[in-house]
Amino acid sequence: EIAMTQSPATLSLSPGERATLSCRASESVGNDLVWYQQKPGQPPRLLIYGASIRAAGIPARFSGSGSGTEFTLTINSLQSEDFAVYFCQQYNNWVTFGGGTKVDIK
Amino acid sequence: EEQLVESGGDLVRPGGSLRLSCSASGFPFNYYAMHWVRQAPGQGLEFVSAISSDGESTKYADSVKGRFTIIRDNSNNMVSLQMTSLRPEDTAVYYCVKELKVRGVMFQFGHWGQGTLVTVSS
Repeated sequence: EIAMTQSPATLSLSPGERATLSCRASESVGNDLVWYQQKPGQPPRLLIYGASIRAAGIPARFSGSGSGTEFTLTINSLQSEDFAVYFCQQYNNWVTFGGGTKVDIK
Repeated sequence: EEQLVESGGDLVRPGGSLRLSCSASGFPFNYYAMHWVRQAPGQGLEFVSAISSDGESTKYADSVKGRFTIIRDNSNNMVSLQMTSLRPEDTAVYYCVKELKVRGVMFQFGHWGQGTLVTVSS
C-alpha cells in the first residue's frame, strides 16, 4: 500500500500570508494526486486533481504542483475561509489518504 | 445542483448490522461511479467501497471486505451500503461520494454528501 505523509501537521499563519503544504508518497504516483479541504462539521471538498488541475469553482489562489513522490499545495494570500484541514490522496495504485495538515490562524 | 443525502446511521452493538442509503440528485446518476468514504471521530479519511456506474463492478477496502456490500439502484438514483458483523473500529461518519468524471472508478472524489454517523458500541 502506498503511504501518504503530509507535513507539517499544523501550519499557523496570518490572513494574507502564503501557505505551503507538502505531501509525500512512499512510491511514485505520477500525477495521480488530489487535494481536499475540510472545515469543521463539513464534508471534504475537492480542490485539486491530477496534482495541479483546479476543480470547478476553486479560487485561483489555490495551486497544486509536483509529480512522482513530492507534491505541494500552495494557498496564496490566505483568506479567513481558508483556515481548515487539508488532505492529499493518491489514486495511482488503489487509494490512500494523507493524515492531513491543519492551517490555523496565528 | 448536485446533492447527495445519506441516511441510516445509528448506534448499533458489535456484531450487528446496518444499512446506509444515499439519495442522489442534480446529475445523471447512472453515468457516475459512486463511493463510500468514512472518517472516524477526529481522524483522517478512509476509502470503504466503490461501485461502477452500471453496478457491475465493486471494490472494497480490506478492512470491510466480506462484511460490507455496496449496491445501487439507477432507476431510483440510490446507492446503499449494507454493513454486517460491525466492529467498534467501524465507528465513523460515512460519506456518500460521487466520482469526479464520467470515466469509471477512478477514485477522484468529486462531490461529498454531509455524511451519516455510525456508532458501534455495547
